[in-house]
Amino acid sequence: AQTVTQSQPEMSVQEAETVTLSCTYDTSESDYYLFWYKQPPSRQMILVIRQEAYKQQNATENRFSVNFQKAAKSFSLKISDSQLGDAAMYFCAYRSELTSGTYKYIFGTGTRLKVLA
Amino acid sequence: GAVVSQHPSWVICKSGTSVKIECRSLDFQATTMFWYRQFPKQSLMLMATSNEGSKATYEQGVEKDKFLINHASLTLSTLTVTSAHPEDSSFYICSAQKGVYSNQPQHFGDGTRLSIL
Repeated sequence: AQTVTQSQPEMSVQEAETVTLSCTYDTSESDYYLFWYKQPPSRQMILVIRQEAYKQQNATENRFSVNFQKAAKSFSLKISDSQLGDAAMYFCAYRSELTSGTYKYIFGTGTRLKVLA
Repeated sequence: GAVVSQHPSWVICKSGTSVKIECRSLDFQATTMFWYRQFPKQSLMLMATSNEGSKATYEQGVEKDKFLINHASLTLSTLTVTSAHPEDSSFYICSAQKGVYSNQPQHFGDGTRLSIL
């Protein structure tokens, strides 16, 4: 069974600085997707970034980028130029295919990010 | 866009009541919808995967007679918590997958806070 581990329950970053959130996972599959979701106090889950396992290039979305190390099964999220609005709970998620077209998401325990003004 | 609407956002009811939560994909068709449960300061735990026109697939440990799921159309899935008790109090979140292609992420509703007195 797949597992997702986020070892940092809480992180703090100064506004405008850079922070990296860690995520490791365990799987025997070779093809899968990884995601980072953000959950602000409003509780809605917002997709931040995703990575296809077959792609060697790390995904980037504006100030958000990942460091995907497939062999090490590591998928960290880097937030550059942190903003107050980035404060939220961040969840790393692994997606595996159940059947053709049907998927199952497994979430990590989350990292609470605080942004200091 | 891909908007998922969840209703109600908050419900408080007496023990023994059955509560229905709706999850709608507003601007896309969702063959598959997912129901999660989230306890305070914890991660999302997948309860069941709901496929349009067929029975839901429940995760181990989730009582299918307690949590009734119906996915009658490509835009609507419902979760009914039958004979709810205080231990069922939680935050319930649905998500929908847009399309069947593997590169499509899940889109989440805003969640429903269920409080059983």
